[in-house]
Amino acid sequence: DAKTTQPTSMDCAEGRAANLPCNHSTISGNEYVYWYRQIHSQGPQYIIHGLKNNETNEMASLIITEDRKSSTLILPHATLRDTAVYYCIVGGSNYKLTFGKGTLLTVNP
Amino acid sequence: DAGITQSPRHKVTETGTPVTLRCHQTENHRYMYWYRQDPGHGLRLIHYSYGVKDTDKGEVSDGYSVSRSKTEDFLLTLESATSSQTSVYFCAIRELGLASEQYFGPGTRLTVT
Repeated sequence: DAKTTQPTSMDCAEGRAANLPCNHSTISGNEYVYWYRQIHSQGPQYIIHGLKNNETNEMASLIITEDRKSSTLILPHATLRDTAVYYCIVGGSNYKLTFGKGTLLTVNP
Repeated sequence: DAGITQSPRHKVTETGTPVTLRCHQTENHRYMYWYRQDPGHGLRLIHYSYGVKDTDKGEVSDGYSVSRSKTEDFLLTLESATSSQTSVYFCAIRELGLASEQYFGPGTRLTVT
């Protein structure tokens, strides 16, 4: 599976959009981009995933660049409950995901 | 929330004793996974199952064995627990499908003294 690079930490003001970047320059054609988050001590929570096109669901939007070498997760109106570690993961058809260290997003009041 | 439970949620055991952790799902998903999470390492895959009686090793499988005799249960066994196996253990499930996502259980905190 391709490796991902994320900033170690980010801050965001409550009510503002949080934009979390991820680089995955070695992604191959059949690999998806997944985003998960983990709130302290809880199990990771699935957020969204995509292959080529931008995706949106009730939690977030995923923007994938045309060359697929990077992506951005957008939380449109961050709340204090969105404070968590966010993992960007690239995975293909082997059904296994490799978690890196992720980005600690802190939403400030 | 996906129907995944883990038991026990907390356990303290002594070095050298056998320990079995249970993951139970009510979603009838084909794939089940065991991860461990330690400070500075993130989540690491121990073993996974792609069907009843079908299992395979992950990146940190040494010292662990698994069994899956029915769809809903995936057991993780530490034959002889060591202090290095003190960790938080998460189970996950995934339905059949090329890009289907994983859903995680609440975790089991295991301390080996």
